[in-house]
Amino acid sequence: EVQLVETGGGLIQPGESLRLSCAVSGFTVSNTYMGWVRQAPGKGLEWVSVIYIGGSTYYVDSVKGRFTISRDGPKNTLYLNMNSLRAEDTAVYYCLTPGGLTGAFLVWGQGTMVTVSS
Amino acid sequence: QSALTQPASVSGSPGQSITISCTGTSSDVGSYNFVSWYQQHPDKVPKLVVYGVSERPAGVSSRFSGSKSGNRAYLTISGLQAEDEADYYCCAHAGSSSFPYVFGSGTKVTVL
Repeated sequence: EVQLVETGGGLIQPGESLRLSCAVSGFTVSNTYMGWVRQAPGKGLEWVSVIYIGGSTYYVDSVKGRFTISRDGPKNTLYLNMNSLRAEDTAVYYCLTPGGLTGAFLVWGQGTMVTVSS
Repeated sequence: QSALTQPASVSGSPGQSITISCTGTSSDVGSYNFVSWYQQHPDKVPKLVVYGVSERPAGVSSRFSGSKSGNRAYLTISGLQAEDEADYYCCAHAGSSSFPYVFGSGTKVTVL
């Protein structure tokens, strides 16, 4: 069964750093593209970052230079390193993957909450 | 990159059909047949209900159907049921722009 499990969220102060992990089971993290989407409280879905099979990475403008997406093949895990966190980064963060589809995302993790507040 | 435009809310009575629009540009919706739709119930994980403009994943009710015309995509829910009350988001591939995907602004569907 294909499954994604995010961990690493929590309460953190502005300016600090946090690393989210997305443990993958049922497929190999390096053999497909994956991404991170976030949802601020009461708001809509927002793309954060995507990493393709070849290693190309993309970031939404609001996180460029602060967030880094990466993957660890042996650990079969996707990461999102978040630096210089701001209050506006407060959201539930989901990792997701196409699950065999093209241009759509069938498999989502359960989400992990990140709260940036002093 | 701007979000795709969706109506904030759509409502209908049980058994009726409703259609949600998703307006993009010639760089996203209009250029690729990679439009998908996600259903999200309160405090739940989004669920894919339509992909590739009009395809349904296994297990999704045939009451959900998708289409596209020009820069606008549509999700139609026929035979509306109480369980369809949720938020719906479209998503489109945006090619070689600064970011490869873009979500819609979201539509709250209310079953009267």
